[in-house]
Amino acid sequence: GNSVTQMEGPVTLSEEAFLTINCTYTATGYPSLFWYVQYPGEGLQLLLKATKADDKGSNKGFEATYRKETTSFHLEKGSVQVSDSAVYFCALPNGSYQLTFGKGTKLSVIP
Amino acid sequence: SQTIHQWPATLVQPVGSPLSLECTVEGTSNPNLYWYRQAAGRGLQLLFYSVGIGQISSEVPQNLSASRPQDRQFILSSKKLLLSDSGFYLCAWRGDLNHNEQFFGPGTRLTVL
Repeated sequence: GNSVTQMEGPVTLSEEAFLTINCTYTATGYPSLFWYVQYPGEGLQLLLKATKADDKGSNKGFEATYRKETTSFHLEKGSVQVSDSAVYFCALPNGSYQLTFGKGTKLSVIP
Repeated sequence: SQTIHQWPATLVQPVGSPLSLECTVEGTSNPNLYWYRQAAGRGLQLLFYSVGIGQISSEVPQNLSASRPQDRQFILSSKKLLLSDSGFYLCAWRGDLNHNEQFFGPGTRLTVL
């Protein structure tokens, strides 16, 4: 089935630093790709998505581009804030009903 | 708009006691519903999913069970809790079968002592 691999953290950055969290996938065809964010003590929120190759998803200053050549969907943000401290999950569909999630990358942003 | 509720928000239970966690979705009909568990510092583990009333698929054999008595209600249960059942339980729904994204509830923090 489809699978996803994302970089393991934790990642610690200073405020206003550039963020990249790597995500690569193995899939049949070109499924939609997702990034979710989980703030401490909360459920997961859909951060952004891309539904086809070469699409760029963006939200709250975060971006990710669906690159079929490198089977990647890396999450980027140009200038992180303390409020971005959270766990980030890459995900893609697996079968008709399920999503497969990466193991999560914990980001801590220090002032 | 759609909303998803879970309760209770937190729960502390002794080993061997029963469990019932409830999840309800508003603003959509016939959603796919999911239960996940997140152990401390670990990723998501899919426990059960349901594509309709009374239809439950189990992903991991364990002492937990799930039921879907109504279209927008999903219940996670156990007859006897184990220490290893501690974790953060998340319910999710998926509405439009043309899109794959799932939307999560706020979660229930379960501590088994």
